Amino acid sequence: EVQLVESGGGLVQPGGSLRLSCAASGFAFKTYWMHWVRRAPGKGLEWVSRINEDGTYTTYANFVEGRFTISRDNARNTLFLQMNSLRVEDTAVYYCVRDLGGQGGYWGQGSLVTVSS
Amino acid sequence: DIVMTQSPLYLPVTPGESASISCRSSQSLLHSLGKIWLDWHVQKPGQSPQLLIHSASKRASGVPDRFSGSESGTEFTLKISRVEAEDVGIYYCMQGLQTPYTFGQGTKLEIK
Repeated sequence: EVQLVESGGGLVQPGGSLRLSCAASGFAFKTYWMHWVRRAPGKGLEWVSRINEDGTYTTYANFVEGRFTISRDNARNTLFLQMNSLRVEDTAVYYCVRDLGGQGGYWGQGSLVTVSS
Repeated sequence: DIVMTQSPLYLPVTPGESASISCRSSQSLLHSLGKIWLDWHVQKPGQSPQLLIHSASKRASGVPDRFSGSESGTEFTLKISRVEAEDVGIYYCMQGLQTPYTFGQGTKLEIK
């Protein structure tokens, strides 16, 4: 069974940092592009970042502005999102997604990040 | 950025009837290799989103054949025949042709 389990969310003050993790199981993690997508309270879905199979190519949404870093550890079947200089508007549920746009698209259950003083 | 525009944003449906959601992209989503980079995803209450349709018209694994997708140029349609109570949720179209990937505003389907 495919599973994507996010962790690392929580409450952080503006300007602070968090590192999200996504533990993958039930499929060949190293053969898929992986993505982060978020949903802010009362808003729709918003794509954040993607990384290729071996971690050598990454892309980010414009609003990231160099604050977030996506990475992966294929030996541990884990995807990461390092988030620095967090803003109130980054408050959202962050989802780890396999193969977004492809036939193997699959979403994790999400991790809530709250940025507030 | 490619803009995705959905309509309607709210869709009340009687069980057993059919429902259609439209999505328009600001530019073609047809890749040179022939793939159309348009997905439909649904987020049901209390759940994470799930893939319904990829490549504009191909159902994801396990999705009932009551769900179908079609396209005509930059206009895309998700049709749900014989709507059931379990279909309640927010339906999103999404383009994956180029980054940033972009989603429609979402269509909230409710049961009358």
